Amino acid sequence: NAGVTQTPKFQVLKTGQSMTLQCAQDMNHEYMSWYRQDPGMGLRLIHYSVGAGITDQGEVPNGYNVSRSTTEDFPLRLLSAAPSQTSVYFCASSYSASGSPTDTQYFGPGTRLTVL
Amino acid sequence: AQKITQTQPGMFVQEKEAVTLDCTYDTSDPSYGLFWYKQPSSGEMIFLIYQGSYDQQNATEGRYSLNFQKARKSANLVISASQLGDSAMYFCAMSAVNTGNQFYFGTGTSLTVIP
Repeated sequence: NAGVTQTPKFQVLKTGQSMTLQCAQDMNHEYMSWYRQDPGMGLRLIHYSVGAGITDQGEVPNGYNVSRSTTEDFPLRLLSAAPSQTSVYFCASSYSASGSPTDTQYFGPGTRLTVL
Repeated sequence: AQKITQTQPGMFVQEKEAVTLDCTYDTSDPSYGLFWYKQPSSGEMIFLIYQGSYDQQNATEGRYSLNFQKARKSANLVISASQLGDSAMYFCAMSAVNTGNQFYFGTGTSLTVIP
C-alpha cells in the first residue's frame, strides 16, 4: 500500500510555463484535495474532489485547474505559472466524502515548486 | 467561517519533559473534528491525533494526548516525555460539516527539543 504519492518532488518553471502535478492514492478514498503551503501561512486548500467526475474550489483556486477522471488520480494543473505560485504543494485523501468531519486526511510527500 | 489559531510560533522543551502546544478554534457548527499533524524537517505531513466534537473523552495516542476544552474552544496537544525526534512543526486543523468537511489549518508551532 503506497498511500498517497506525488510526482515530481521538485520542479523549477519559468513564468508563463504550464505543468501538471500528479497525485495518486491506492486506498480507494473518495475525497482528494490539493493544498499549498507557504511560510507562516499553514496549508491552504486549492481544489478538492468528493469523487470521480466531481471537483470544487477551495480557498485559493485562481491559476489552478483540476480534474478527477478516476478514483485514484487527482492531477493539479498550473495553466501559466507565476512567481506567486512558488510554494510546496500537498495532495491529500480521506476515506469518505459523504459528510463526516471525522475523516482523517492522509498526505502525500509534497512537491516543491519554484517559478522564476 | 472556520478559523484555527496557533499563537506559539516557536517552543522549546527539555528532553523527557512534557510540552503543551496551544490551538484554539472558532466554528458555529456543532459537528466538527480537530486534528494535529507533525511536519518534520523532511517535509511530510504526519497525522498524530484526532478529536471529534461529540467525543466525551480526550483523545490519546501513545505519548500524544489532546486536551479538548469545548467551552473554551481549545484543542491543545500534549506531548509527554519529549524526544529529540519530536523536533518539528506541528499543525492544528479543523473540519466541520457546514463547510463540506474541508480542512482549515493553523499557522503552526515549531517545537525544538533540547538534549
